[in-house]
Amino acid sequence: SQTIHQWPATLVQPVGSPLSLECTVEGTSNPNLYWYRQAAGRGLQLLFYSVGIGQISSEVPQNLSASRPQDRQFILSSKKLLLSDSGFYLCAWGQGEYTGELFFGEGSRLTVL
Amino acid sequence: GQSLEQPSEVTAVEGAIVQINCTYQTSGFYGLSWYQQHDGGAPTFLSYNGLDGLEETGRFSSFLSRSDSYGYLLLQELQMKDSASYFCAVRETGSSNTGKLIFGQGTTLQVKP
Repeated sequence: SQTIHQWPATLVQPVGSPLSLECTVEGTSNPNLYWYRQAAGRGLQLLFYSVGIGQISSEVPQNLSASRPQDRQFILSSKKLLLSDSGFYLCAWGQGEYTGELFFGEGSRLTVL
Repeated sequence: GQSLEQPSEVTAVEGAIVQINCTYQTSGFYGLSWYQQHDGGAPTFLSYNGLDGLEETGRFSSFLSRSDSYGYLLLQELQMKDSASYFCAVRETGSSNTGKLIFGQGTTLQVKP
């Protein structure tokens, strides 16, 4: 069966510090991968998606970047965090043949102070 | 661009039926998905409508009308555990191999005894 792991689950970072969130998928090959951010009480905003190794598409201009160094690994990074980067970050995977279903990791809650 | 509208909050009693509506405006459209998210957790997939009509999965049903750019999620025999946020999400044309979803702001459902 397929699983998705995301870490760390919680982190508190000072403004100006770097960020690295990691996501890995097991049990499937060549998945589409996504990073979403959710502000408190709000919907999910798509940040990045990837259809293959090294292929990254950004949906909104921001202080973040994403990389996909391996088929089932997706990393979200920042060189210098801003207060506005605080939120709940969710990694997800899906397949190209589509049923409208994405599978989400458990999320990473980031607080920037 | 695209926009999705759904009510921010809905309250219902245990055992009742509740309908959560979603209207959308997109430049193109493949289908409408619904997700459930409990407080602090990850979204989980409930249903997908690629065609007009009703899809039923146990106590949950989802409906789509493409001509009206409208869909809804129907929850029957409400249980306390159904208290959660519910999101509609659209898959737009042009996303056939990316599979990316655009989410609404969510509806918080509170089920009371």
